[in-house]
Amino acid sequence: DAKTTQPTSMDCAEGRAANLPCNHSTISGNEYVYWYRQIHSQGPQYIIHGLKNNETNEMASLIITEDRKSSTLILPHATLRDTAVYYCIGRAYGQNFVFGPGTRLSVLP
Amino acid sequence: DTGVSQNPRHKITKRGQNVTFRCDPISEHNRLYWYRQTLGQGPEFLTYFQNEAQLEKSRLLSDRFSAERPKGSFSTLEIQRTEQGDSAMYLCASSLTRDSGEKLFFGSGTQLSVL
Repeated sequence: DAKTTQPTSMDCAEGRAANLPCNHSTISGNEYVYWYRQIHSQGPQYIIHGLKNNETNEMASLIITEDRKSSTLILPHATLRDTAVYYCIGRAYGQNFVFGPGTRLSVLP
Repeated sequence: DTGVSQNPRHKITKRGQNVTFRCDPISEHNRLYWYRQTLGQGPEFLTYFQNEAQLEKSRLLSDRFSAERPKGSFSTLEIQRTEQGDSAMYLCASSLTRDSGEKLFFGSGTQLSVL
């Protein structure tokens, strides 16, 4: 599994875009980048995943650099309910999801 | 889709006792995972089922831990002779496919406290 590194914590003002970075310099060609988040007292929740191309869904956008060594999760208009721990995971077909400590995002009013 | 259900939500036990947790996955999901999470850490993989077959166990998983999924539906995780170090959140997740697009759906977990 690719080792990912994320900042321990970040703050974001409510209504602004939250940009969460993830470094995965050792990711292999068949490993997808996944993002999950975990709100206090709940299980992790799937957000988005991608391989090479940028991806967007109703929750977020995922921007992957051309060399695939890093990515950014973008929450376009953060709300207080987006306060959570965000996990970036590199995972290939058939592998388990390996969670690191993640980034604790605090959305401030 | 009623989501992944875990019971109980909280369990307090004394050291040395046995405990059992239950997980009911999303009905059509044939893959089921157990994870453990301690404070400040991400979830740690314990074991994985495809239908009723247990296909993988973490090398770090003690022999005191056992999991079953007898009919390929619900699963149970038993911890025998609990230790204080077993105190953690135990999370269950299910998925429909293990290909590149696999998405795990997690339950809310069972919080175990061993006194």
